[in-house]
Amino acid sequence: GAVVSQHPSRVICKSGTSVKIECRSLDFQATTMFWYRQFPKQSLMLMATSNEGSKATYEQGVEKDKFLINHASLTLSTLTVTSAHPEDSSFYICSATPAGQGAGGYTFGSGTRLTVV
Amino acid sequence: SQQGEEDPQALSIQEGENATMNCSYKTSINNLQWYRQNSGRGLVHLILIRSNEREKHSGRLRVTLDTSKKSSSLLITASRAADTASYFCAFYGSSNTGKLIFGQGTTLQVKP
Repeated sequence: GAVVSQHPSRVICKSGTSVKIECRSLDFQATTMFWYRQFPKQSLMLMATSNEGSKATYEQGVEKDKFLINHASLTLSTLTVTSAHPEDSSFYICSATPAGQGAGGYTFGSGTRLTVV
Repeated sequence: SQQGEEDPQALSIQEGENATMNCSYKTSINNLQWYRQNSGRGLVHLILIRSNEREKHSGRLRVTLDTSKKSSSLLITASRAADTASYFCAFYGSSNTGKLIFGQGTTLQVKP
């Protein structure tokens, strides 16, 4: 089955630094990947849609200059949290589905727990 | 907000009992999906039900869909302690851009 690998699983960084999170589709190509954010005991909130070879589409209220998304290949999307602050601490999850599969079930990465101190 | 609503928010049952979770949504949908999330982990796709289906089974899972009421339910029969997790319904937003919108989730605790 489709596998999405997300790295790192856990990261602690200092305020003001930047953190990069990788999302890879291991056995399929994904023209589109999605990035979600999840606060404790809450649901997933879509942050942005990552499109291979073009600019990401951000949801309303998500700062594109703070959450930089790069989708340079059909198997890799990265989310960079720039100038991180404690309020950026959260659980970040990516998802993808094989191209051409249509509106089916998505495969999710295992998530990244970001703690900004 | 397009986000779906789920109830109950939390559910605690004994092993062997059935667990029922409900999801309501506001948009038109092509399908509705259910996912499971163990604490601090990613999501696992459980089952997908299409808009022209009313009921679907997968092992101990039974999902129903009522498009007239814009609601779905997930039933887990003969629950096990290993079923302890959060369960989310998800559907595509009305703009049909492939964006998956999640319900608020139900946290299920199954006591051994």
